[in-house]
Amino acid sequence: DTEVTQTPKHLVMGMTNKKSLKCEQHMGHRAMYWYKQKAKKPPELMFVYSYEKLSINESVPSRFSPECPNSSLLNLHLHALQPEDSALYLCASSQDQAGARGYGYTFGSGTRLTVV
Amino acid sequence: AQSVAQPEDQVNVAEGNPLTVKCTYSVSGNPYLFWYVQYPNRGLQFLLKYITGDNLVKGSYGFEAEFNKSQTSFHLKKPSALVSDSALYFCAVRDPKPGDTNAGKSTFGDGTTLTVKP
Repeated sequence: DTEVTQTPKHLVMGMTNKKSLKCEQHMGHRAMYWYKQKAKKPPELMFVYSYEKLSINESVPSRFSPECPNSSLLNLHLHALQPEDSALYLCASSQDQAGARGYGYTFGSGTRLTVV
Repeated sequence: AQSVAQPEDQVNVAEGNPLTVKCTYSVSGNPYLFWYVQYPNRGLQFLLKYITGDNLVKGSYGFEAEFNKSQTSFHLKKPSALVSDSALYFCAVRDPKPGDTNAGKSTFGDGTTLTVKP
C-alpha cells in the first residue's frame, strides 16, 4: 500500500459545527503532516507529527486540533471554523521527519472543506 | 531562512515540444530539492528529488531536473510534452540540519501552471 487515504473527500460545515478529518497510511511512515491549500496556491504547513508526537505547530488557531492516535492515523478536529477556513486540507506522510534525510512526501487527495 | 521562487505563473507549450518549468532557491547550506505535480482536485504527487550526487535527476513520467549550484536553480524538464502533463507544478526546498526539529519543513514555491496544447 503506497497511498495516503483521506476522508471525507468533501465536507460542508456550519460555523458552530464540530467535525473531524481523517488521514490514514500503511507505509510505515513515522512523520505525518497537515497542510492547508487555497486554490492555485502552495500548500501551507499546519502541523507535523513525528513518531506520534506533535513536532511542529505553525501557530495554527486553536479551532484546529490535531490528533495522532497511532502511527497510521492522523486526525484534524474542527470546531467553530470561519468561512475563510474553507480550503483543501491535505495530509502527507514521509518515512521520517528528519531534515538530514531526503525523504519526499506522499500526499493524500485532500478534503475539500467549505465553511458556511 | 530557506526560500524558493518559480518565476513563471504559467507555461504554455505545444504537444511534442520540450518543456521547462523554472525554479530557483535560496538556502544557507546544501539544499534538498523536490518537484511535485498537482492535478485538479487532487493532492500533490512526488515527481523527483535532488539530494546529492549527479546533477541531472530523472523522475516519474519522463520528467528530469538539473541541479545547478552556481545558478541556484533546479529547473524541471521533459523532452516531449504530452497534453496529460497539463497540471500545476510545485518546486520545494528543504535545508537539512541534523538535530533541528524544523529541518523537516519544506518550503514550496508558488507553483507554475503548465498547459500543453494539442
